[in-house]
Amino acid sequence: QVQLVQSGAEVKMPGASVKVSCKASGYTFTTYYLHWVRQAPGQGLEWMGIVNPSGGSTSYAQKFQGRVTMTRDTSTSTVYMELSSLRSEDTAVYYCARAQGLVQADGFDIWGQGTMVTVSS
Amino acid sequence: SYEVTQPPSVSVSPGQTASITCSGDKLGDKYACWYQQKPGQSPVLVIYQDRKRPSGIPERFSGSNSGNTATLTIRGTQAMDEADYYCQAWDSSTWVFGGGTKLTVL
Repeated sequence: QVQLVQSGAEVKMPGASVKVSCKASGYTFTTYYLHWVRQAPGQGLEWMGIVNPSGGSTSYAQKFQGRVTMTRDTSTSTVYMELSSLRSEDTAVYYCARAQGLVQADGFDIWGQGTMVTVSS
Repeated sequence: SYEVTQPPSVSVSPGQTASITCSGDKLGDKYACWYQQKPGQSPVLVIYQDRKRPSGIPERFSGSNSGNTATLTIRGTQAMDEADYYCQAWDSSTWVFGGGTKLTVL
C-alpha cells in the first residue's frame, strides 16, 4: 500500500543538526511532490517546505530559510530534511506528507508517522 | 505573509451539525483544504479544493469557501469525529495552516 515511513526519534543538543528521513513505497516516487510539516507539543501544524523528488528542486518557508535543507535519493525513494542550529523551540514532531496532485489546492493525502525531535541540553 | 484563523474550539451534540470556520483575506479566491487529527495520530485529509472529499471520507463531511471564510461542515456528527481540525490554504508558493479547532462532541 502507499505509505511514507520515517526514521526514529532523535534527541539533540542545542546548536546541533538533525536529519530526518522519509521513505516512500507503493507508488512512483518521482510523480508526487513531498512536503515537510512540523508540530510542536500541544501546538498546531507548521509548513516547512517542499521537495520535488523528480528534479530535486525545493522551496522553503521563509522562517526556515538558511537553516533547513531538503534532499532526495531516487535510488531508495527517500527524502531527507536536515535542520541545523537547533534550539529548544525546534522540539516537535516532524512529518513528511505527499502532495495529492500537481495543483496546490489538492492537499496532502499521505502522511508519515512522524518523527519526534527533542532539543535539550 | 498570508494567515488563516480558526476558532480554538467548537462543541456539538451527537447527531447535530458542526461547523468549523477558517478566515483569511480573500480566502474565497484561493482554495482551502481541511485535515482531521486525533491524539497521537498523523493528520488525515478530509476536504480538498474547498469541497472535494478523498475516497474513504464519509459523506457527512463537506466544505465550502466564499468571501473571506471557508467552512467545514459535519452533519450527523458522531463521537468518532471528536478531533482537532486544521484548515490549509496556498498563497505565493507557501502553504499555510490555521491554528486548529478542537471539536468536542458532547
